[in-house]
Amino acid sequence: QKEVEQNSGPLSVPEGAIASLNCTYSDRGSQSFFWYRQYSGKSPELIMFIYSNGDKEDGRFTAQLNKASQYVSLLIRDSQPSDSATYLCAVIRRGGSYIPTFGRGTSLIVHP
Amino acid sequence: EAQVTQNPRYLITVTGKKLTVTCSQNMNHEYMSWYRQDPGLGLRQIYYSMNVEVTDKGDVPEGYKVSRKEKRNFPLILESPSPNQTSLYFCASSPPEGSYEQYFGPGTRLTVT
Repeated sequence: QKEVEQNSGPLSVPEGAIASLNCTYSDRGSQSFFWYRQYSGKSPELIMFIYSNGDKEDGRFTAQLNKASQYVSLLIRDSQPSDSATYLCAVIRRGGSYIPTFGRGTSLIVHP
Repeated sequence: EAQVTQNPRYLITVTGKKLTVTCSQNMNHEYMSWYRQDPGLGLRQIYYSMNVEVTDKGDVPEGYKVSRKEKRNFPLILESPSPNQTSLYFCASSPPEGSYEQYFGPGTRLTVT
């Protein structure tokens, strides 16, 4: 089982809808969770990070963490065509380096 | 401007010809790392460094070497490149506290023929 799992997609949503991206992880002791956005041919950029169970909101983005179920999700409200990108989930495992392990990414397409 | 730079951005080379991809950051970050990205496989960690003279293997270290002689620089060395090392490579740095956000370089697209 890969340590960080994401559905590769593509996930297609209409403009203005809510896009829901999910990620599961295998190490129950993982401590930090990140969502990065990567446009085609570009480097990843951080959207949000979350440490504690529950929701964390930043503008149109909400990260949700459930450590008991070992999943983290990203909700994008009022999706825009400019949100079309690959979204990478990343996890810092306990007891090791503070260098994250990445999932394979989910491709999101927002169509007008 | 705070940034991570990589050189070269594009490289086409032949099997067995040693090459080095440089990485430099100006944010005084302790942590630096190298990833490769391949279609369907996502970002995979090659090597990382938690400080000067401290390096460790990531998930896919075979065929690669690194060194960390200065805090700002973290070169990736391919002693004898092979076609299966054709990939998009990213260098990243992060601070040792706070969010541990990874700051990525622009990427190096390597083709080994």
